[in-house]
Amino acid sequence: GQNIDQPTEMTATEGAIVQINCTYQTSGFNGLFWYQQHAGEAPTFLSYNVLDGLEEKGRFSSFLSRSKGYSYLLLKELQMKDSASYLCAAPFVGNMLTFGGGTRLMVKP
Amino acid sequence: SAVISQKPSRDICQRGTSLTIQCQVDSQVTMMFWYRQQPGQSLTLIATANQGSEATYESGFVIDKFPISRPNLTFSTLTVSNMSPEDSSIYLCSVDWGASGTGELFFGEGSRLTVL
Repeated sequence: GQNIDQPTEMTATEGAIVQINCTYQTSGFNGLFWYQQHAGEAPTFLSYNVLDGLEEKGRFSSFLSRSKGYSYLLLKELQMKDSASYLCAAPFVGNMLTFGGGTRLMVKP
Repeated sequence: SAVISQKPSRDICQRGTSLTIQCQVDSQVTMMFWYRQQPGQSLTLIATANQGSEATYESGFVIDKFPISRPNLTFSTLTVSNMSPEDSSIYLCSVDWGASGTGELFFGEGSRLTVL
């Protein structure tokens, strides 16, 4: 079976750094995705990790540890526009993505 | 990336009626999916829309309730049948546009349905 867990909500301050964790259990691993979803909008792709380690992309970085079934999304120099839901997702049979419950991030001044 | 157009973007429907949502992609894609996002929830996969054959439904979703068509590699429809207030959700069409095997998805803008 498959299971993806992430915190429901997080709050952080503008300019700070925030780490959003995701743990997963799957019978077959084929990569780990992060998506961003602003309220009222469709999700947009942020990152994809298939190998262990840190992938950096501007202010956003994503980390994966396959042995621990663990990933995190790191957001640096937070901006107000980063307030959104962040969805951890993994593809299983046939590349069909299963999403975690999402983490609602609120960035405060 | 793919440009995905969904319509209607939103609708208010009466209980017991059915509504068909259309999804048009600007390029041919192999994999097309339909997701549902209930208020305040994450995305749940309804089914994979297969070109030229019956859709593959996830647990908890059945063809009678959510019939899907996929006549070609750029178009699909999802019908929400015999609607009830519990069907009030955002329905999202998505395509697999990543490099072979990655499963990176692009999403349409979504269709927000409210059932009274």
